[in-house]
Amino acid sequence: NAGVMQNPRHLVRRRGQEARLRCSPMKGHSHVYWYRQLPEEGLKFMVYLQKENIIDESGMPKERFSAEFPKEGPSILRIQQVVRGDSAAYFCASSPRNRVGYGYTFGSGTRLTVV
Amino acid sequence: GIQVEQSPPDLILQEGANSTLRCNFSDSVNNLQWFHQNPWGQLINLFYIPSGTKQNGRLSATTVATERYSLLYISSSQTTDSGVYFCAVAKETSGSRLTFGEGTQLTVNP
Repeated sequence: NAGVMQNPRHLVRRRGQEARLRCSPMKGHSHVYWYRQLPEEGLKFMVYLQKENIIDESGMPKERFSAEFPKEGPSILRIQQVVRGDSAAYFCASSPRNRVGYGYTFGSGTRLTVV
Repeated sequence: GIQVEQSPPDLILQEGANSTLRCNFSDSVNNLQWFHQNPWGQLINLFYIPSGTKQNGRLSATTVATERYSLLYISSSQTTDSGVYFCAVAKETSGSRLTFGEGTQLTVNP
């Protein structure tokens, strides 16, 4: 049973380019959560998605960031026109249901570096 | 929103020593997890423990939900225990959002 798979593990983008981060949840999990970890900081919630629906995007920056979780395929976190401040580790977690009281499993993260 | 405070922020141990990490939270929670982020950045789930006590090898955790704190115990520490330990909680009414503390940076020296 593969865990939560994130790719790429490392991503380097020049300022102004687009970054696409992918997350495949654990088998049987239909709920995906994205978190961002800035250098020397804890993880901050960004967005919660179910298949084809955004449930809570209150942690997403208002501009340049978007997320989707299509019916088929992985969840995608998209950052347009990246800036140096977007450099961070982006983690994805999944769960089989939206029921508070259920533990999360995290992927290994994607480390984005903007040069 | 809910506040999570972890202490100490930094901890340096000699191999073989024991330690206790603390997590205080500001409101009732329905989910509490301890994670270890190793030096390679991977986030490892240690315990799901909204209440009670659990043990896994040299690690154990206790959450006293009524007093809003959790403790992580590491016994006979090893150099591979080094990294950052995070506590994360979810309040019942906040859906599935986990709120993380700022972590405890643990360094175990040989």
